[in-house]
Amino acid sequence: GAGVSQSPSNKVTEKGKDVELRCDPISGHTALYWYRQSLGQGLEFLIYFQGNSAPDKSGLPSDRFSAERTGGSVSTLTIQRTQQEDSAVYLCASSLSAAPGDTQYFGPGTRLTVL
Amino acid sequence: EDKVVQSPLSLVVHEGDTVTLNCSYEVTNFRSLLWYKQEKKAPTFLFMLTSSGIEKKSGRLSSILDKKELFSILNITATQTGDSAVYLCAVISGGYNKLIFGAGTRLAVHP
Repeated sequence: GAGVSQSPSNKVTEKGKDVELRCDPISGHTALYWYRQSLGQGLEFLIYFQGNSAPDKSGLPSDRFSAERTGGSVSTLTIQRTQQEDSAVYLCASSLSAAPGDTQYFGPGTRLTVL
Repeated sequence: EDKVVQSPLSLVVHEGDTVTLNCSYEVTNFRSLLWYKQEKKAPTFLFMLTSSGIEKKSGRLSSILDKKELFSILNITATQTGDSAVYLCAVISGGYNKLIFGAGTRLAVHP
């Protein structure tokens, strides 16, 4: 079946503009995660959704970042008033549930460049 | 603060060599440790380790976990140029499936 898909694959924007990044998880996966990978760094957790529960937003770096997941499927990560330090690859992952044993499968990511 | 440390940060070998990648961790409530391979953007899952001393093997790759000493190793034997990638180690701590990643080891295999 289809894997996790993300769009756009690349996004170049000017400082101060808002951007929206989209993630389509694997069908049937109830848990969805957003991570950020800055140049030369490991992946940094941002936010995760599990079913209809309130999301865990503990990794969001500032209030300019927000995410929503509509209908328990597609998720959108929004960054308002982008800054140059927001430049990174944003990766989305999904798993069957949020149980610690469930493998997370990653999408191809969106490379965001803020000029 | 939960922490995952990988070493070395980068490694250059020739085809046919055997490599060992290291991952140590300090977390409050360890559940499992995972290895991923990242060639371009999407990390692909390799192994999940939960119990100490039980080797997981897939072809030329193998991995083992030591929960007493808080580390794991990933071995790749008879390396090939296709093994060139960043290898990421991640730990799950607590009741959530939130992954805490190390910075990765960049492996380059030359012909």
